[in-house]
Amino acid sequence: NAGVTQTPKFRILKIGQSMTLQCTQDMNHNYMYWYRQDPGMGLKLIYYSVGAGITDKGEVPNGYNVSRSTTEDFPLRLELAAPSQTSVYFCASSYYGQGTGDEQYFGPGTRLTVT
Amino acid sequence: AQKITQTQPGMFVQEKEAVTLDCTYDTSDQSYGLFWYKQPSSGEMIFLIYQGSYDEQNATEGRYSLNFQKARKSANLVISASQLGDSAMYFCAMRTSAGGTSYGKLTFGQGTILTVHP
Repeated sequence: NAGVTQTPKFRILKIGQSMTLQCTQDMNHNYMYWYRQDPGMGLKLIYYSVGAGITDKGEVPNGYNVSRSTTEDFPLRLELAAPSQTSVYFCASSYYGQGTGDEQYFGPGTRLTVT
Repeated sequence: AQKITQTQPGMFVQEKEAVTLDCTYDTSDQSYGLFWYKQPSSGEMIFLIYQGSYDEQNATEGRYSLNFQKARKSANLVISASQLGDSAMYFCAMRTSAGGTSYGKLTFGQGTILTVHP
């Protein structure tokens, strides 16, 4: 199993540009999540999905969009990039989303700089 | 609202000694889970240990143990016999089940940087 994979690893965007961060998991997990991590801070939830076709906002959704057409893929779209979106983005997945244990498995992250 | 507080921005420990990283949480939910993740300088998030709110025993995983004090709302991570490879950022996180389900969403603390000296 590759686990959770994210592309690209690094990206520099100009203000106003758009891009899609890709996330794929091969563990047949129902639940998927996008977090952002600002320098020296903990992770904050952007969006999450409980299955194909079902997504919902997290704590910091403004400026982002998601879709979930398959169990495996959960892309994050940035429209009109702003410097405040400079961050490291992590995708994660879990099987049940609740219950005993059931930790989230994280991808390696995408480091995004908006200038 | 759920909140996780890690009051130690940085901690230092001598190799082979034990260290405790503090975590306090705030929730009104009865059912919740507490996680610790390690983030080395390479950036990936590594799951270490989990404690459920109804678990009566403190969780242990190898050199990691979780000192769970429910009344004090604390879930401190204890690393025994520290190794140089333990130098990393450590995050405490909480998953609550408000209304019966949380969809697994995690709330993270700000982290503690642990440095292990030889």
